Amino acid sequence: GAVVSQHPSRVICKSGTSVKIECRSLDFQATTMFWYRQFPKQSLMLMATSNEGSKATYEQGVEKDKFLINHASLTLSTLTVTSAHPEDSSFYICSATVDSGETQYFGPGTRLLVL
Amino acid sequence: TQLLEQSPQFLSIQEGENLTVYCNSSSVFSSLQWYRQEPGEGPVLLVTVVTGGEVKKLKRLTFQFGDARKDSSLHITAAQPGDTGLYLCAGGKGNTPLVFGKGTRLSVIA
Repeated sequence: GAVVSQHPSRVICKSGTSVKIECRSLDFQATTMFWYRQFPKQSLMLMATSNEGSKATYEQGVEKDKFLINHASLTLSTLTVTSAHPEDSSFYICSATVDSGETQYFGPGTRLLVL
Repeated sequence: TQLLEQSPQFLSIQEGENLTVYCNSSSVFSSLQWYRQEPGEGPVLLVTVVTGGEVKKLKRLTFQFGDARKDSSLHITAAQPGDTGLYLCAGGKGNTPLVFGKGTRLSVIA
């Protein structure tokens, strides 16, 4: 149980375009989902906390107009990187908690490369 | 700011050796999770510990939560090349997001 999927697994896009990444909880309902960014050989950096039906809470330094998060259902959260630039290239990972617990279950990640 | 200090940052050992990774904080956590991450993949949950002094075993991995719930350790016995990866500890405090350590990058050489 507690499986989280992400789509796409990797994406290459041109500078200036927008990219949407989906995060789904496959066998449970996730009231809360989290979005992380990870640079090579570093730990996870929390970008935002996404609660179903309400606005996401962004961490300091993360631009909410650039990284749009929508959590429209209990099984789906999306992250849209708007007007992507090469410096947005990174590994984006989502996670979800079960029954508002503290343990997070992670998706497999999405590798974004902006040319 | 809550911090989880994880050590060592890097560890390279021979197959068959034992090792311990530490996770320390000045804060009390209600739970502590250990994850393992391989390159290009998301972190995979290994264990969650919630009780001070708790010890959990997962095959050759032994996890311990400190009595005061401020620290934790992961001990691997007879390490195998398949244990290679990034090990992350993360502390939980109710409704706040997990606090992650910086990770320990383990390399087990055959």
